[in-house]
Amino acid sequence: NAGVTQTPKFRVLKTGQSMTLLCAQDMNHEYMYWYRQDPGMGLRLIHYSVGEGTTAKGEVPDGYNVSRLKKQNFLLGLESAAPSQTSVYFCASSPGRGRPGTQYFGPGTRLLVL
Amino acid sequence: AQSVSQHNHHVILSEAASLELGCNYSYGGTVNLFWYVQYPGQHLQLLLKYFSGDPLVKGIKGFEAEFIKSKFSFNLRKPSVQWSDTAEYFCAVMGYSSASKIIFGSGTRLSIRP
Repeated sequence: NAGVTQTPKFRVLKTGQSMTLLCAQDMNHEYMYWYRQDPGMGLRLIHYSVGEGTTAKGEVPDGYNVSRLKKQNFLLGLESAAPSQTSVYFCASSPGRGRPGTQYFGPGTRLLVL
Repeated sequence: AQSVSQHNHHVILSEAASLELGCNYSYGGTVNLFWYVQYPGQHLQLLLKYFSGDPLVKGIKGFEAEFIKSKFSFNLRKPSVQWSDTAEYFCAVMGYSSASKIIFGSGTRLSIRP
């Protein structure tokens, strides 16, 4: 099993450009999450999904959109990138009910917005 | 709303010293508590978790944490640290009714002098 994978690993964008980050998991997990990690602020939840076709807002959802069309994939979109979105983005998945909170993290995507 | 405080931003210890990292949370109901670790250049991994039962929880690599409900605390301890414990440590809380949303603390960077 590959676990949780993220594409791309690193990206540089110009202000106003758009992009999509892809997260894929092969563990048949129900729940998936997108976080951003910034120095001194830990991980902050952007959006999450408790099942295929469902999404919900986390702590810092503004400027991001997500989709979960397939159970194994969770996409994070930036429609118009801003320098404040420079960060490291982590995707995570968890089995869901019965084992809440045991999240498995991907390797991260480093995004730089100029 | 849930929140997590980690008061130690950077801790420096010598090998074989004892470790205690503080974590306090704010939530009005039943909680699940976690410690995650991020080794340099790697993604987050679960160190230990508390769901219910014995408030003293043992995790991997000799770490343990104690849930003290009256103090809203979940401090991480290790009797004797090693150089390989150099990492960033994150405390996290999930409210029992929060649909698996986990809120992370800002992290504590642990540096071990060989």
